[in-house]
Amino acid sequence: DTAVSQTPKYLVTQMGNDKSIKCEQNLGHDTMYWYKQDSKKFLKIMFSYNNKELIINETVPNRFSPKSPDKAHLNLHINSLELGDSAVYFCASASTAEAFFGQGTRLTVV
Amino acid sequence: AQSVTQLGSHVSVSEGALVLLRCNYSSSVPPYLFWYVQYPNQGLQLLLKYTTGATLVKGINGFEAEFKKSETSFHLTKPSAHMSDAAEYFCAVSDRGTDKLIFGTGTRLQVFP
Repeated sequence: DTAVSQTPKYLVTQMGNDKSIKCEQNLGHDTMYWYKQDSKKFLKIMFSYNNKELIINETVPNRFSPKSPDKAHLNLHINSLELGDSAVYFCASASTAEAFFGQGTRLTVV
Repeated sequence: AQSVTQLGSHVSVSEGALVLLRCNYSSSVPPYLFWYVQYPNQGLQLLLKYTTGATLVKGINGFEAEFKKSETSFHLTKPSAHMSDAAEYFCAVSDRGTDKLIFGTGTRLQVFP
């Protein structure tokens, strides 16, 4: 079983659309994250949730809205997609001092 | 704010040569330190981590790293590079007691035959 799974793996969409990326972890961790990796491979934390509560919200446009229905899931909804949102988005879950990453979702906005 | 610097965005070595990837952190209080590897079109995989105890940490695939407080460094080494080591390597830090991982900008390792 995959520890942290994201769907879809690839997402191509037009500017202005709304899309969601789903993430699920079966590790029993309380903490989950979303990271964005840009074209230069730079990884930046976007959000962190602990037991369904938002802990970290880095300066991310409010078009991005994470939702955690339970501690095993952390979905990312993006409204009014822009060209600059094209990137690879990684979900991760963490225990003390270790994070486990999903395979990533490559979002391309055209 | 905590930060981490990786010197050299690209490192090229011959197969069998020593691999040295550099990482320095900014905190005056030793943080937790990590190295992750990312193969093409894959997620990140933990290579090794330092939290406490022995400063020389051994990880998977023959990699190791040494925490040097005096130099605020956590460089990654491997005695003999293999073609399969070609990937992007990320150093990361988190403050003790938090789960927030801050990543360096990454180093792409190329291995030539």
